Amino acid sequence: AQSVTQPDIHITVSEGASLELRCNYSYGATPYLFWYVQSPGQGLQLLLKYFSGDTLVQGIKGFEAEFKRSQSSFNLRKPSVHWSDAAEYFCAVGFYGGGADGLTFGKGTHLIIQP
Amino acid sequence: DVKVTQSSRYLVKRTGEKVFLECVQDMDHENMFWYRQDPGLGLRLIYFSYDVKMKEKGDIPEGYSVSREKKERFSLILESASTNQTSMYLCASSLEGLPGSFYNEQFFGPGTRLTVL
Repeated sequence: AQSVTQPDIHITVSEGASLELRCNYSYGATPYLFWYVQSPGQGLQLLLKYFSGDTLVQGIKGFEAEFKRSQSSFNLRKPSVHWSDAAEYFCAVGFYGGGADGLTFGKGTHLIIQP
Repeated sequence: DVKVTQSSRYLVKRTGEKVFLECVQDMDHENMFWYRQDPGLGLRLIYFSYDVKMKEKGDIPEGYSVSREKKERFSLILESASTNQTSMYLCASSLEGLPGSFYNEQFFGPGTRLTVL
């Protein structure tokens, strides 16, 4: 079965600094890749997604992510974080033809922004 | 904008009670999902549905059932609530994807935080 790993449970970044959140998946098929953000007490909001084409995708709120097939990774980046970026971030993966069982989510990375 | 609404933001129930969590989406999506979210465990799929009256078990269906009588509504039922079902419950919906695929973007509701005493 496919799996998604977000190796960092918590990350602390200073406001204005750059950010990279890691996501690795395991499976051999062509993946569909998503990053979601969850603000405290809220549901999940889609930041960006990759289905095919250019491996560098742009999302909302100034986020981008790069798909690297050779590394089975889909890391999320932002050049300069704002205090409002403090939230929980989830990477999710689905596989074409992998079966009708929804997306597989990572366990999440909690982003803390220091002033 | 797609809107997914859940009937309650917070719910407190007693052990043994029957609990209904309701989810409604307004964009004519074929697929609907129920997840539970627990600290350190991320999101885990309980059940999903790809059509009216159709349902499939997810990763953790034990202790839950679902109902989808209308396309826009997907209900999660706890037949006899237990304390280990205290959690955040998230509903999501998505369009039907490519043939053989259900991996279009999922739109999430705000969640229901259920406490079972």
